[in-house]
Amino acid sequence: DAKTTQPPSMDCAEGRAANLPCNHSTISGNEYVYWYRQIHSQGPQYIIHGLKNNETNEMASLIITEDRKSSTLILPHATLRDTAVYYCIVRVSNSGGGADGLTFGKGTHLIIQP
Amino acid sequence: DTGVSQNPRHKITKRGQNVTFRCDPISEHNRLYWYRQTLGQGPEFLTYFQNEAQLEKSRLLSDRFSAERPKGSFSTLEIQRTEQGDSAMYLCASSLEKGGTDTQYFGPGTRLTVL
Repeated sequence: DAKTTQPPSMDCAEGRAANLPCNHSTISGNEYVYWYRQIHSQGPQYIIHGLKNNETNEMASLIITEDRKSSTLILPHATLRDTAVYYCIVRVSNSGGGADGLTFGKGTHLIIQP
Repeated sequence: DTGVSQNPRHKITKRGQNVTFRCDPISEHNRLYWYRQTLGQGPEFLTYFQNEAQLEKSRLLSDRFSAERPKGSFSTLEIQRTEQGDSAMYLCASSLEKGGTDTQYFGPGTRLTVL
């Protein structure tokens, strides 16, 4: 079973920031938080990942709470092309013995409204 | 394009036939993963390779499924005696393991339909 909890769906207006929450209250100290998204009928696309600190790249920002029990993915200026299913995944580090496959839940279906 | 590629993109077969899919990972990636995704669900892990060694198999990988990665480059996934329940998208991902954590990059998938 997935170790994360996400809302099944969210709407966001085009041009606004989309904030996608994820709960991972049982996360271990050596587990990373990963975000992927999947546009209909395509393979999942990597977005961002983090361990403790907040992270930012050209696609998004990842905010991880201090206790690491939840995180938020932020798409700063959502466009219609950001409509997709967004998956939040926790994964143990390689040094923690992890080389497992990713465990996907059902994700959040983000719909960007024009 | 230097991403993960998969062939064929679509495959329609009759029940009982064997099918084989191919995955070409990103160059120099030493890990390769296979997943299966059915309609409305997230991808489910099947198996993975580190170089040419198959190191883990999910309980989802029945005896009819076999995967290979000769010489640690491309990989093939074969399904023997296909069943209608095998209809799904089969996804491949690759990553470069170098300590810490490895990020998996996915291909476009092969959609299998078993009639």
